[in-house]
Amino acid sequence: AQKVTQAQTEISVVEKEDVTLDCVYETRDTTYYLFWYKQPPSGELVFLIRRNSFDEQNEISGRYSWNFQKSTSSFNFTITASQVVDSAVYFCALSVSNAGGTSYGKLTFGQGTILTVHP
Amino acid sequence: DGGITQSPKYLFRKEGQNVTLSCEQNLNHDAMYWYRQDPGQGLRLIYYSQIVNDFQKGDIAEGYSVSREKKESFPLTVTSAQKNPTAFYLCASSQGAGNTEAFFGQGTRLTVV
Repeated sequence: AQKVTQAQTEISVVEKEDVTLDCVYETRDTTYYLFWYKQPPSGELVFLIRRNSFDEQNEISGRYSWNFQKSTSSFNFTITASQVVDSAVYFCALSVSNAGGTSYGKLTFGQGTILTVHP
Repeated sequence: DGGITQSPKYLFRKEGQNVTLSCEQNLNHDAMYWYRQDPGQGLRLIYYSQIVNDFQKGDIAEGYSVSREKKESFPLTVTSAQKNPTAFYLCASSQGAGNTEAFFGQGTRLTVV
């Protein structure tokens, strides 16, 4: 079974601060995929990034960066110079490839981290 | 525009009633999913469907039923057997492989009155 843990329930920062959202995962599968989604007040989940288990390169996209470390089973997300528009709930999620090579894209989600950025 | 449409946005159910939540997608995706979101618990998978006329139970399927008669549509029925149905329900679709991202609708908030 898979498990994703986001230990930070809520984070509150002031605009322009950097903030890191933690994500730790558990799986016995050797091939898996990690995702981050953003949920603004409108409710819809917005895809941010996907990472394959065999690719440990960190990634940067504008003010967003992701640090994937297989050794610690972590996939952390950093927002640099946070803005009020970054306020949302952020979810880390995991999908695996089963022995048949088809996982049907089912996602196991963490509990989510509520990020509030104050002006 | 391509995407996923859920309706209604808000739904109220009386005790003992069955209600159906609609989910339609025009992304030509094979796979569709229903997730339930409760405060502090993240999203949990209710049902998923890989192809038309086939669907599988997720982690919390008790008290729910689905159908997949068309590729574009995956309605969810919350039956009276679901003891605690008040929650936020999200429908999603994807290409169906583990390495593809899911696209989500805007959700339906169901409240028991």
